[in-house]
Amino acid sequence: DAGVIQSPRHEVTEMGQEVTLRCKPISGHNSLFWYRQTMMRGLELLIYFNNNVPIDDSGMPEDRFSAKMPNASFSTLKIQPSEPRDSAVYFCASAPPGGQDTDTQYFGPGTRLTVL
Amino acid sequence: AQSVTQLDSQVPVFEEAPVELRCNYSSSVSVYLFWYVQYPNQGLQLLLKYLSGSTLVKGINGFEAEFNKSQTSFHLRKPSVHISDTAEYFCAVSPNTDKLIFGTGTRLQVFP
Repeated sequence: DAGVIQSPRHEVTEMGQEVTLRCKPISGHNSLFWYRQTMMRGLELLIYFNNNVPIDDSGMPEDRFSAKMPNASFSTLKIQPSEPRDSAVYFCASAPPGGQDTDTQYFGPGTRLTVL
Repeated sequence: AQSVTQLDSQVPVFEEAPVELRCNYSSSVSVYLFWYVQYPNQGLQLLLKYLSGSTLVKGINGFEAEFNKSQTSFHLRKPSVHISDTAEYFCAVSPNTDKLIFGTGTRLQVFP
């Protein structure tokens, strides 16, 4: 299996620009998670989906952040407009349905975002 | 609400020495417990997990952890570390296996 795929791996943008991060979960997994990792705040859960439906978005920092999952094999995290404090590594993770190792999340390699 | 405390931000150790990475959690309900490892420039990978049953859990790469309910701890141990174990280690709790709440991480640095 290819694992969780994230793109781009690195993104450098200027303040005020729109940024879109992409994630392809492992085939057959029905839960998808977006995390943000910074030195100051560690690893934070931003939002997670189950069967393409957002279940908990309480970690989304503010209205500049939005996430979608139009189908079982694709999700996006969008920041508009971006700010320097959004600089971080963003991870996507997926998990299989209940009864199939559902408690284990499989992480992608991350997208390192730098906002100048 | 659940929370995780990893008291040691960094743990330096020489190769072949034993190591213990500490993790304490806070929860008013039963939880599942996890240790993940993050190698440089990579995503997190599951090391081991405790869901129920035996309190001593064995994971990959020779690591093990013991669940101690009375002390609300889930410390990670390895009897003899290798250079390749140098990484960031995260303890996490989950009240319902959907959401993981991570600790701040412990950086294990193994020296030759």
